[in-house]
Amino acid sequence: QVQLVQSGSELKKPGASVKVSCKASGYTFTSYAMNWVRQAPGQGLEWMGWINTNTGNPTYAQGFTGRFVFSLDTSVSTAYLQISSLKAEDTAVYYCAKDLETMVRGVIIPEPFDYWGQGTLVTVSS
Amino acid sequence: SYVLTQPPSVSVAPGKTARITCGGNNIGSKSVHWYQQKPGQAPVLVIYYDSDRPSGIPERFSGSNSGNTATLTISRVEAGDEADYYCQVWDSSSDLNWVFGGGTKLTVL
Repeated sequence: QVQLVQSGSELKKPGASVKVSCKASGYTFTSYAMNWVRQAPGQGLEWMGWINTNTGNPTYAQGFTGRFVFSLDTSVSTAYLQISSLKAEDTAVYYCAKDLETMVRGVIIPEPFDYWGQGTLVTVSS
Repeated sequence: SYVLTQPPSVSVAPGKTARITCGGNNIGSKSVHWYQQKPGQAPVLVIYYDSDRPSGIPERFSGSNSGNTATLTISRVEAGDEADYYCQVWDSSSDLNWVFGGGTKLTVL
């Protein structure tokens, strides 16, 4: 069965960096785009962007450029989200989420998210 | 950028029908997806492409989309349906972007 298992909660100081992992199993990792979604405390869902798991090419939504980096290790079917220069407002739960359908000839076609990781709480506090 | 508007809250008695709306400019021309999120849990896809149901989602969940409003309908509401619900569309107009509505808290009275 499909599973996305994320790394555990993190407590970081402002200015530090954090790397969240999302290990996939139960499907062909390189056939489906991986999305990242942020949810601040008590707030709604915000799409951060996606990564083409075939080419490694990331796309970042507005507001998530510069300090946010998506990466992959396809040998272990794992996607990563790294956030640098952390700020208090980065405190949130971060989710990875898999596309419902495969990429087409290596190109991401926007699809809803059928499987989500359990979420990783990143807390930024001095 | 494209904006999706949901009512912050909807309340319904058990056994009745809940309707959660998602408003957007000419949303009927887009495909709408719906997620259910219970406290402390990840979202779950309950309706995709306006009205399709993933396997494992009860038939009580249905969706429609026309004009400027998409609607998630939950029939014969149960206590376990109490959750936040989010609509989602792909905005291909300006920034290529997934857009979520602000979410609706469904309370089962």
